[in-house]
Amino acid sequence: DAGVTQSPTHLIKTRGQQVTLRCSPKSGHDTVSWYQQALGQGPQFIFQYYEEEERQRGNFPDRFSGHQFPNYSSELNVNALLLGDSALYLCASSYTGTANSPLHFGNGTRLTVT
Amino acid sequence: AQSVSQHNHHVILSEAASLELGCNYSYGGTVNLFWYVQYPGQHLQLLLKYFSGDPLVKGIKGFEAEFIKSKFSFNLRKPSVQWSDTAEYFCAFNTNAGKSTFGDGTTLTVKP
Repeated sequence: DAGVTQSPTHLIKTRGQQVTLRCSPKSGHDTVSWYQQALGQGPQFIFQYYEEEERQRGNFPDRFSGHQFPNYSSELNVNALLLGDSALYLCASSYTGTANSPLHFGNGTRLTVT
Repeated sequence: AQSVSQHNHHVILSEAASLELGCNYSYGGTVNLFWYVQYPGQHLQLLLKYFSGDPLVKGIKGFEAEFIKSKFSFNLRKPSVQWSDTAEYFCAFNTNAGKSTFGDGTTLTVKP
């Protein structure tokens, strides 16, 4: 049991469309981070949410946006999809109250853009 | 720029062989170091972590890692691998700001 749940598992979209991915953090966790993992590469940091605000952001364009809800769950939105957005999108949760809390990952959403 | 370099993309070993996976990071300040593992069909999970203190840290399933600050390295070791250690291994670090930076991973295949 991952503790962190993501939906959907797989998604196929057409170039130019918009997509929303969802994440529920592990119970007791209050911080959600999103990562993009292309084939053969490590996870790349997109952004992190805490207290419903974006706390930190990686080198991703504004087409990537997110939201965190009062129950700590989160969404990742990608607008104007490009073929290069095809990847595994990982959600990871952690607890801010524990110094240097490691990440707990979900199983990811596999996005294919055609 | 922050980065992590994992020297081996794919390692193949026989059972009982010793394992060492290299990891070097690039960052000018204090870091927290992690090794994550992804077993086939499972999610990424924490193998071990280093924050401070003894630079030799022990994790689950007999794995250990040594932080050498002068070399910016955090190599993963296991004296005797098992078939069940077949997985992908990721080295990562974060700073107190929260963002984690990952390497590209090393795929370990252990032959029975």
